[in-house]
Amino acid sequence: GAVVSQHPSWVICKSGTSVKIECRSLDFQATTMFWYRQFPKQSLMLMATSNEGSKATYEQGVEKDKFLINHASLTLSTLTVTSAHPEDSSFYICSATRTSGESSEQYFGPGTRLTVT
Amino acid sequence: GQNIDQPTEMTATEGAIVQINCTYQTSGFNGLFWYQQHAGEAPTFLSYNVLDGLEEKGRFSSFLSRSKGYSYLLLKELQMKDSASYLCAVKDSNYQLIWGAGTKLIIKP
Repeated sequence: GAVVSQHPSWVICKSGTSVKIECRSLDFQATTMFWYRQFPKQSLMLMATSNEGSKATYEQGVEKDKFLINHASLTLSTLTVTSAHPEDSSFYICSATRTSGESSEQYFGPGTRLTVT
Repeated sequence: GQNIDQPTEMTATEGAIVQINCTYQTSGFNGLFWYQQHAGEAPTFLSYNVLDGLEEKGRFSSFLSRSKGYSYLLLKELQMKDSASYLCAVKDSNYQLIWGAGTKLIIKP
C-alpha cells in the first residue's frame, strides 16, 4: 500500500501563534509532496508543491513567508503556519507521489483541521 | 485558462445507477483522476484514465473521451456509504493536477 499520515489530526491555536503540521509517507519514498487547503464545502486548493531537498513551489496568492514548507527527507514534509489568524482556520491536507510523471497517483493524508481562535 | 466543470450536487436512490460528468479545458492532458471525499476526510483515489474508453473497477467505472474533453464516473448498485463528494482532476502538460470543485452525491433510501 501507500500510506500517508499527518500529525496532528486537529489543532486549536491562538491568533498570532505558529502551528506546525507534519506529513509522512509511511511505506514509500515520496518524490513529491503537495499541500492543499480546503474550506468548508469548497474544493481542494493547492498551496504548494515540494520536492525533497529543494525549495517549495508556491501557488499564486499563497504567501511563502506565512506558510513555511520544509521537505527535509523523502518521507517527511512539514507545513508551518506562522502568525496564524482566524481566517487561516481550514482543513489542511497533504499528499505524496511515489514517482513523477503522468500516471503518478497522489496518496492523501487524513488531513489536519486547524482552528485559530 | 484552465477549467474543470462538474455538477455541484446530484441526488440518487439506493440501489440505482448514477453518472457524474466532468468536462475539462486544460493546457495539455496527461491523465484524468476521479477521487471520492467523504465529509471531513481526505480524498481517496477511485480511478485513472489516460486513454479513451471505459475503465471498470467493481461498482465504479470511469469513461474518457479526450477529443471531447469529457469524462464520467458511473456508480452502480448505489449504497448509502456512497454519499460523498466526487472530485474530477486533470493533469496538464506540466503534470500539475487541476481540480474540479467536486460533485456532492446524496443517496436516498
